[in-house]
Amino acid sequence: EPEVTQTPSHQVTQMGQEVILRCVPISNHLYFYWYRQILGQKVEFLVSFYNNEISEKSEIFDDQFSVERPDGSNFTLKIRSTKLEDSAMYFCASSPTGVGAQPQHFGDGTRLSIL
Amino acid sequence: AQKVTQAQTEISVVEKEDVTLDCVYETRDTTYYLFWYKQPPSGELVFLIRRNSFDEQNEISGRYSWNFQKSTSSFNFTITASQVVDSAVYFCALHTGTASKLTFGTGTRLQVTL
Repeated sequence: EPEVTQTPSHQVTQMGQEVILRCVPISNHLYFYWYRQILGQKVEFLVSFYNNEISEKSEIFDDQFSVERPDGSNFTLKIRSTKLEDSAMYFCASSPTGVGAQPQHFGDGTRLSIL
Repeated sequence: AQKVTQAQTEISVVEKEDVTLDCVYETRDTTYYLFWYKQPPSGELVFLIRRNSFDEQNEISGRYSWNFQKSTSSFNFTITASQVVDSAVYFCALHTGTASKLTFGTGTRLQVTL
């Protein structure tokens, strides 16, 4: 069964550095998402992406964050000037459409640790 | 605004017991979808079940069943004859017709012991 693939599985970065989290969505999916889960807390929506542009973003997704689909397969989340509070598990997800009739399929996540 | 409430923070059961996880949602949309996801200790999020707002028929899939009641805005999930491998955090999530995001509840940690 096709999967969403995320790399790396664990990223350790010094505070103030930039980090790029990478995702390969399922190949025939058109909608891509990033979510964040701070340790022990709920999963929070960051951003959705369709047709090479952001379709929705949360208040968490400020100017520090950006997303890009640099080629036909990768979907990246860039965090500039990381802060301690950015430490979390970051999940990428994809779905065939943007409606709930099709579930979002999640990758295994990237655990980001800011030191 | 959408909201999902999972009042049960943690549940412990003995293997083979049935367990029901509660979920209450809030939305003003008339078209919406409800989901349950499982997060085992390894951390990934696994899709379990989906229900749309037009279909209140409750179903059973293997050891899983769900009870969707629009009158009380609840979407409860039952695991029959629980097993140790069911130990995980279970998240209820809401997707509405006007937004592309999933809104998650705070999760219920299920511990199944021998």
